[in-house]
Amino acid sequence: DAGITQSPRHKVTETGTPVTLRCHQTENHRYMYWYRQDPGHGLRLIHYSYGVKDTDKGEVSDGYSVSRSKTEDFLLTLESATSSQTSVYFCAITGSRGDTDTQYFGPGTRLTVL
Amino acid sequence: AQSVTQLDSQVPVFEEAPVELRCNYSSSVSVYLFWYVQYPNQGLQLLLKYLSGSTLVKGINGFEAEFNKSQTSFHLRKPSVHISDTAEYFCAVSGGGSYIPTFGRGTSLIVHP
Repeated sequence: DAGITQSPRHKVTETGTPVTLRCHQTENHRYMYWYRQDPGHGLRLIHYSYGVKDTDKGEVSDGYSVSRSKTEDFLLTLESATSSQTSVYFCAITGSRGDTDTQYFGPGTRLTVL
Repeated sequence: AQSVTQLDSQVPVFEEAPVELRCNYSSSVSVYLFWYVQYPNQGLQLLLKYLSGSTLVKGINGFEAEFNKSQTSFHLRKPSVHISDTAEYFCAVSGGGSYIPTFGRGTSLIVHP
């Protein structure tokens, strides 16, 4: 158990509203990631972080921003949600010493944008 | 650049039959290879991984995979499946100093009684 929680687990919102998803980890891992999962597309990387205040874009970053002010929390924000952002969002971390090649995933957040 | 192709989007099989889920990758550097499983309404769990050494890798729940460098494949196998193996399976590749894996689109394994 990599100690990853995501909140909320489910959210329904309306087009144009801001939304923030939270990923929390308890084991002081340096690398954290946000993915979205859509049928037929597998997992696609949105943003990732390699330390506090150090973040970078993934392949589908448009419309998303992230912040990491503490090691344990990685926030994903949709500034103005659109229906195309309806998806399941997963947070992941990279394992610690001796296991830095492997990602471990949170339980996911199902977001519906009406 | 690296990429992963999972050749089957869906694999139906009867309980206690053997199964193979196919994965091919492309990469210009040496690779790490992974299989993850996702049960309904859950996150991804690591099933097994290949980093180096023996090309036959054993994972949890009786699954195994074989790394074939010449064919750039990492197929997942199980000799006898159970109903509880019904899930989505993802192949992933990383390497070249990058911690960030590239995922395939997934294969839905459906086990019928």
